[in-house]
Amino acid sequence: GAVVSQHPSRVICKSGTSVKIECRSLDFQATTMFWYRQFPKQSLMLMATSNEGSKATYEQGVEKDKFLINHASLTLSTLTVTSAHPEDSSFYICSARDVAGGSYEQYFGPGTRLTVT
Amino acid sequence: KNEVEQSPQNLTAQEGEFITINCSYSVGISALHWLQQHPGGGIVSLFMLSSGKKKHGRLIATINIQEKHSSLHITASHPRDSAVYICAVPQGAQKLVFGQGTRLTINP
Repeated sequence: GAVVSQHPSRVICKSGTSVKIECRSLDFQATTMFWYRQFPKQSLMLMATSNEGSKATYEQGVEKDKFLINHASLTLSTLTVTSAHPEDSSFYICSARDVAGGSYEQYFGPGTRLTVT
Repeated sequence: KNEVEQSPQNLTAQEGEFITINCSYSVGISALHWLQQHPGGGIVSLFMLSSGKKKHGRLIATINIQEKHSSLHITASHPRDSAVYICAVPQGAQKLVFGQGTRLTINP
């Protein structure tokens, strides 16, 4: 089946620094990728929809200047958490939509656990 | 907006038991996803189905489009099946709306 990778799997950073998380579709092309965050014992919350070659669409309440998304190619999207604060500590998950797979087939990455100290 | 309700929220069973997790949604859809999330956090897509039934190993997913209801069954459950199971349905052209998840614990 289709594989989506994320890097890094875990990251610890100091408050005020920026962190970049990569999401790659390894064996298919993804014009659309999605970024989610998940707090402990809660469901996934969609942060933004990333479309290759265009600006991301952010969900209400998500600061686009804080969570920078770049989808420069059909296999790579990046999420940069700028000026991270402890409240940004969370589990970040991406998913990618297979353009050849028909509607709504999404494949999820393994997630990145961010801890801001 | 499509609302998604799962039941039960928590389920504990003994190894070997037959497990059923339910998912109801409010708006008509073209397909529904069942996802599995292990304690480490990674999410695995189990099924995407738009009608009838799908089977993969000990997992069976069914959907009734008219009743807006889907079930995930696990036969001969095993402790390694312990995870959170999430159903998700599309909202609009691209987004998924997720249920709150069912935390399954299988005791040996």
